[in-house]
Amino acid sequence: GQNIDQPTEMTATEGAIVQINCTYQTSGFNGLFWYQQHAGEAPTFLSYNVLDGLEEKGRFSSFLSRSKGYSYLLLKELQMKDSASYLCASYGQNFVFGPGTRLSVLP
Amino acid sequence: DGGITQSPKYLFRKEGQNVTLSCEQNLNHDAMYWYRQDPGQGLRLIYYSQIVNDFQKGDIAEGYSVSREKKESFPLTVTSAQKNPTAFYLCAINAGEGTDTQYFGPGTRLTVL
Repeated sequence: GQNIDQPTEMTATEGAIVQINCTYQTSGFNGLFWYQQHAGEAPTFLSYNVLDGLEEKGRFSSFLSRSKGYSYLLLKELQMKDSASYLCASYGQNFVFGPGTRLSVLP
Repeated sequence: DGGITQSPKYLFRKEGQNVTLSCEQNLNHDAMYWYRQDPGQGLRLIYYSQIVNDFQKGDIAEGYSVSREKKESFPLTVTSAQKNPTAFYLCAINAGEGTDTQYFGPGTRLTVL
């Protein structure tokens, strides 16, 4: 079976750091992906992890533990424009998307 | 997105009418996908196609149909049999170096009145 869980909403302050967690159960796991989706727009690709560990891309980092079925997206130096939904997706036979975490960045 | 286009961005239809959503790509990729997104829910896979003249049902194919006559085009028809067609529809391709990554078109928001 395939199942993905992530928090529904999070709030953080401009300039702070926020961590968005994701747990998954995926048959034939091939990778874990993170997407950003602003309201009314399509998701845009942020990062992916195939092996355990941390991948850093500027202000965004993503971590994966395959044995625990766990990933997180870390956003540093938050900006107002980071207010969006963040979708966790696992890739097995096909992509399976979580419900998304709506992040609100407050001034 | 880059080379994936969906039209129109907003679409209104009366209940009981079939409607076809367009998805075109000029990236020469084989695999194309259709998802729908409802408020507060993740993307759900409707249909996908790995190659021309072949396509597979996803998790929620009932009430939908597709065709893949050309590599560049993967239109989705929302039929009158779809009980709750109002949603945001997203087309995607698989691309990337080293691993497949899904890239999305801009989406079509369908409202059935």
